[in-house]
Amino acid sequence: SAVISQKPSRDICQRGTSLTIQCQVDSQVTMMFWYRQQPGQSLTLIATANQGSEATYESGFVIDKFPISRPNLTFSTLTVSNMSPEDSSIYLCSVEKGGTQYFGPGTRLLVL
Amino acid sequence: GKSLEQPSEVTAVEGAIVQINCTYQTSGFYGLSWYQQHDGGAPTFLSYNALDGLEETGRFSSFLSRSDSYGYLLLQELQMKDSASYFCAVRSATNKLIFGTGTLLAVQP
Repeated sequence: SAVISQKPSRDICQRGTSLTIQCQVDSQVTMMFWYRQQPGQSLTLIATANQGSEATYESGFVIDKFPISRPNLTFSTLTVSNMSPEDSSIYLCSVEKGGTQYFGPGTRLLVL
Repeated sequence: GKSLEQPSEVTAVEGAIVQINCTYQTSGFYGLSWYQQHDGGAPTFLSYNALDGLEETGRFSSFLSRSDSYGYLLLQELQMKDSASYFCAVRSATNKLIFGTGTLLAVQP
């Protein structure tokens, strides 16, 4: 299994600012994923973060808005840039290990 | 592209059996997973089908028919704690998960 922690657990931010979310895993993993879950909705994949290479973004998500870092095999960050109220959501980190995908507790973001 | 459809809500009583369906349209398919998410919590893995047929894990079972692009999650002996959202998800060749629309299960006494 994999135990994942995220920081911060929640935040309230002003529009136009940026927030960086941290994801820490208790073991080395090759692939880390970032998802967004808007209130009452399903999970939408933002990007795949692999150590040593640039993140791969899904349709509708761009690096300028959601820059990602993956400095090592246990850590990743997602930045939500130039935020607007539409970015209010839960952001979840996920890893694949042993054929199963595990999720972090999420970061609840409210943009005013 | 990919789309996965689920019923939005299902209601059942304690002790009953409930089936949550998932139909999918994907350009690549490497298995169907099921996740449970309690309100405010992280999604947790329940079951995975790579091949056609039924997989059983305790009170939960999952079925897949690749020819019909269809699967379901079966929950038996329902308990109040089973009230949650349930998501099917298709795995791609690169291990990405694309999630379904989600089903909110309400278990009543």
